[in-house]
Amino acid sequence: AQTVTQSQPEMSVQEAETVTLSCTYDTSESDYYLFWYKQPPSRQMILVIRQEAYKQQNATENRFSVNFQKAAKSFSLKISDSQLGDAAMYFCAYRSARREQGGSEKLVFGKGTKLTVNP
Amino acid sequence: NAGVMQNPRHLVRRRGQEARLRCSPMKGHSHVYWYRQLPEEGLKFMVYLQKENIIDESGMPKERFSAEFPKEGPSILRIQQVVRGDSAAYFCASSPFLGDTQYFGPGTRLTVL
Repeated sequence: AQTVTQSQPEMSVQEAETVTLSCTYDTSESDYYLFWYKQPPSRQMILVIRQEAYKQQNATENRFSVNFQKAAKSFSLKISDSQLGDAAMYFCAYRSARREQGGSEKLVFGKGTKLTVNP
Repeated sequence: NAGVMQNPRHLVRRRGQEARLRCSPMKGHSHVYWYRQLPEEGLKFMVYLQKENIIDESGMPKERFSAEFPKEGPSILRIQQVVRGDSAAYFCASSPFLGDTQYFGPGTRLTVL
């Protein structure tokens, strides 16, 4: 079974600075997807960024980028120019890309990292 | 295009009562997923449904929990004879196609007294 580990329960960053959140995962599959979701105090789960394992290029969405190291099974999230609105829980998630009947469409989540942004 | 809708947002039940949680997927989405989030934890998969079919219920407790996604109307997650351990946030997500990104609703926070 796949597992996702986020080793930093809490992180803090100064406004306008850069912060990196860590995520490692364990899988025997070669084809999969990785995600970062943000959960602000409203508790809504918001997709931040998505990475396909077959793509070598790291995904980027505005101030958010990832460092995907497939061999090391590492998928860190970098937030540049941090803003107060970035304060939230951040969850790393894995999903298999196998397309079989009843295949694993489920997302496997880490326990999350609570990010505080200091003004 | 409205997002995934869940209701109620907050639900309080006494032990032994039934809880019904509703999820309306985004327009055009025929795949629905339910997840549970216990305090201080990440989300845990419960069940994956398509219209009128349960595809994967590997994360669903064997007793008291059931889910459906009828041809018409929202998906329903039903918890019978609730216990205090059922207190959690329940999230629904939907996607338009098999393998596509899952978009989440705001969740239902269930409190069992």
